[in-house]
Amino acid sequence: GAVVSQHPSRVICKSGTSVKIECRSLDFQATTMFWYRQFPKKSLMLMATSNEGSKATYEQGVEKDKFLINHASLTLSTLTVTSAHPEDSSFYICSARPRTVSYEQYFGPGTRLTVT
Amino acid sequence: AQKITQTQPGMFVQEKEAVTLDCTYDTSDPSYGLFWYKQPSSGEMIFLIYQGSYDQQNATEGRYSLNFQKARKSANLVISASQLGDSAMYFCAMREFGSNFGNEKLTFGTGTRLTIIP
Repeated sequence: GAVVSQHPSRVICKSGTSVKIECRSLDFQATTMFWYRQFPKKSLMLMATSNEGSKATYEQGVEKDKFLINHASLTLSTLTVTSAHPEDSSFYICSARPRTVSYEQYFGPGTRLTVT
Repeated sequence: AQKITQTQPGMFVQEKEAVTLDCTYDTSDPSYGLFWYKQPSSGEMIFLIYQGSYDQQNATEGRYSLNFQKARKSANLVISASQLGDSAMYFCAMREFGSNFGNEKLTFGTGTRLTIIP
């Protein structure tokens, strides 16, 4: 159990276009989902925390108008990178916390975004 | 100041030997949790072990154990009888509960790349 999926796993887009990444909890309900960004050979940096039905809380330095997060249901959160630029190229990972577990976060497999 | 410090960027260990990955943390919150995750080359983050700040005993999960020394603020991961499949990046992370219970976030260290040598 406790599987989190991300789609797509890889995406290449042109500069100026928008890209949507989906994060789904497949076998549990997630009241909270987290979005992380990881640069090559670097650590995970939290971008934002989203709770179902409310606005996401963004970390300092993360542009909320550029990285749109929608947590529409207890099993789905989306991250949209708007007007993507090459510097947005990165590995994006989501995680989800089940309602019934107090501390665990289950991570998705990640999405590698390349902006050309 | 770094909240999570992993001082070993890379380690090479002979297969079947035990290995200790270091992690120190910094927090003033009395209630927190410490995690270790494994990230293979495929990218997914695999949960290994968790230690709560109020847990009296060190956490263990199969070949993984967490050497929790609260006074020293260290939470080292010990992998016994290492296997070739243990080669991966390992991240230590901390969750502080603070005043906004329910929205606690994880702060990750910079990771240690472990390579198991046959």
